[in-house]
Amino acid sequence: DGGITQSPKYLFRKEGQNVTLSCEQNLNHDAMYWYRQDPGQGLRLIYYSQIVNDFQKGDIAEGYSVSREKKESFPLTVTSAQKNPTAFYLCASSIRRLAGGTGELFFGEGSRLTVL
Amino acid sequence: EDKVVQSPLSLVVHEGDTVTLNCSYEVTNFRSLLWYKQEKKAPTFLFMLTSSGIEKKSGRLSSILDKKELFSILNITATQTGDSAVYLCAGGIQGAQKLVFGQGTRLTINP
Repeated sequence: DGGITQSPKYLFRKEGQNVTLSCEQNLNHDAMYWYRQDPGQGLRLIYYSQIVNDFQKGDIAEGYSVSREKKESFPLTVTSAQKNPTAFYLCASSIRRLAGGTGELFFGEGSRLTVL
Repeated sequence: EDKVVQSPLSLVVHEGDTVTLNCSYEVTNFRSLLWYKQEKKAPTFLFMLTSSGIEKKSGRLSSILDKKELFSILNITATQTGDSAVYLCAGGIQGAQKLVFGQGTRLTINP
């Protein structure tokens, strides 16, 4: 079945450590996204990528990094520079539209990161 | 700065009630308004609205967009406990591959 797979589902890390969250999709979508969800704040965009080898910062990119070496994969690294990394992270993908803006996003099941 | 605001943030009703969830937006180069349902983890798509005044309907759920007032509502009639979830509203931007999300409304349906 087509879909988006995020791993790990739960992750604990100590302060000062970098951690990488995996996101893989087999929907053949060009565009992929990383959102962060905190209680009472909805979803905030971290990074997004419209095509392979290209990505743009979202609204809260500081302390995060991404890569897009393959169409299917868009890993997110939470670096030690991120001051408040404990959150629920959602990866999504969509068909890339050259005009008209994005349409429906398809989401993964999320990764919950807790910094101890 | 683009902004989407949902209200109420939390709502508790009894099974069988009808609820209306609100979404207002200030989005530069607005293109579309999307509604998602998030029960546990992954949000699932409900509706995408691009035209004003045209109601979209799926079973007991319906939604409409008012582009003059920069507003959308999501109606759920004859609510069931399975409707309990966080409902997210998002604005799509013309020519941009991203959505701006609101804070979400947490809806609880009590039996």
